[in-house]
Amino acid sequence: AQSVAQPEDQVNVAEGNPLTVKCTYSVSGNPYLFWYVQYPNRGLQFLLKYITGDNLVKGSYGFEAEFNKSQTSFHLKKPSALVSDSALYFCAVRGGYGGSQGNLIFGKGTKLSVKP
Amino acid sequence: DSGVTQTPKHLITATGQRVTLRCSPRSGDLSVYWYQQSLDQGLQFLIQYYNGEERAKGNILERFSAQQFPDLHSELNLSSLELGDSALYFCASSPGLTGGQFFGPGTRLTVL
Repeated sequence: AQSVAQPEDQVNVAEGNPLTVKCTYSVSGNPYLFWYVQYPNRGLQFLLKYITGDNLVKGSYGFEAEFNKSQTSFHLKKPSALVSDSALYFCAVRGGYGGSQGNLIFGKGTKLSVKP
Repeated sequence: DSGVTQTPKHLITATGQRVTLRCSPRSGDLSVYWYQQSLDQGLQFLIQYYNGEERAKGNILERFSAQQFPDLHSELNLSSLELGDSALYFCASSPGLTGGQFFGPGTRLTVL
């Protein structure tokens, strides 16, 4: 069964520093991986996805993610954090064998806190 | 703004009652998904519809049902409500069966 794990409940970063939010996955077949962000009292916003191709995926708001097949990881990164990046971040994988189903399976989320 | 709309934004009701949550997908999207977000269970997939037909089922209780109408909007019906059904319910849509999903703002359900 497809699953993702976000090992950190919270990540604290100083503004201007690089940030990394970790995600590891377990899938049958090829992984279809996603990152979403949720601001307080808001819905989830799509950041980026990996389907195939380059291991470094660029997304919205300056975020990028690195797909690493050998480590089964898909960490979210940003070179310079902003206070406005403070939010809840979710890693997700598409369900079904090889992502054959449309539904997303989410990790528990990582709260990112960026201090000025 | 994702283009997915959900009504109502907030819903407060009592145990044993029945409620209906409504979702309008982005223009042109044929797939609609429903998710439940709660503190203890996290974000869980409930059900998917594609062009009016049920396509996939997740951890949806028998007390819950959904449908997608010819105009592609969808409704999630929750009946015999329990305190534990209090959660944020999200609708998402995508163009096809397995595309990237765009989420609505959610409906916060409180069962008293």
